[in-house]
Amino acid sequence: EIVMTQSPATLSVSPGERATLSCRASQSVSSNLAWYQQKPGQAPRLLIYGASLRATGIPARFSGSGSGTEFTLTISSLQSEDFAVYYCQQYNNWRITFGQGTRLEIK
Amino acid sequence: EVQLVQSGAEVKKPGESLKISCKGSGYSFTSNWIGWVRQMPGKGLEWMGIIYPGDSDTRYSPSFQGQVTISADKSINTAYLQWSSLKASDTAMYYCARQTAATSPPSDPWGQGTLVTVSS
Repeated sequence: EIVMTQSPATLSVSPGERATLSCRASQSVSSNLAWYQQKPGQAPRLLIYGASLRATGIPARFSGSGSGTEFTLTISSLQSEDFAVYYCQQYNNWRITFGQGTRLEIK
Repeated sequence: EVQLVQSGAEVKKPGESLKISCKGSGYSFTSNWIGWVRQMPGKGLEWMGIIYPGDSDTRYSPSFQGQVTISADKSINTAYLQWSSLKASDTAMYYCARQTAATSPPSDPWGQGTLVTVSS
């Protein structure tokens, strides 16, 4: 099973600033990496797939990068609605696995 | 419009059986996979397994193999997740989501979630 490790567990950032979230895979997943956002009481929402492709309707301030084992989600200028929990997920094979999540909180 | 509508919240006792559902609409139910994801209270997301309703090809995460059964009835565009003997540790929110391929990410929209509470 591919283990996904996210860092940091919690990130405190002020509105308008940039946030950088990291995700590492225990073995190469090529570009088969997605990012999800989850707000309290809601189902997760797909933000990024293919490591860097924005899903439909996702604002341009969200960007993803990386390949192999190291990935990054960057939110260029944080809006109030961006404070949530973010999960990375690999789908390199059918045994999909998620990272443990990064909580993005208001500083 | 693609929609996944899940069955309502359940409260069960340990040892009881349960089957929850996920009904798809607005897309070809038999040409897409349905996956199930568990979220225990205050915890992260865990992918449980997937089913291809077209031919009932079913695959499980090693963590959930033997613990749950995933099935589908393509005649009514509905996938199921079931337990034969619930434990308190099965208390969680369960989401279904569509995958266009076994090796593709669960795409939006997900089901709204079914909260399962197991308590004596």
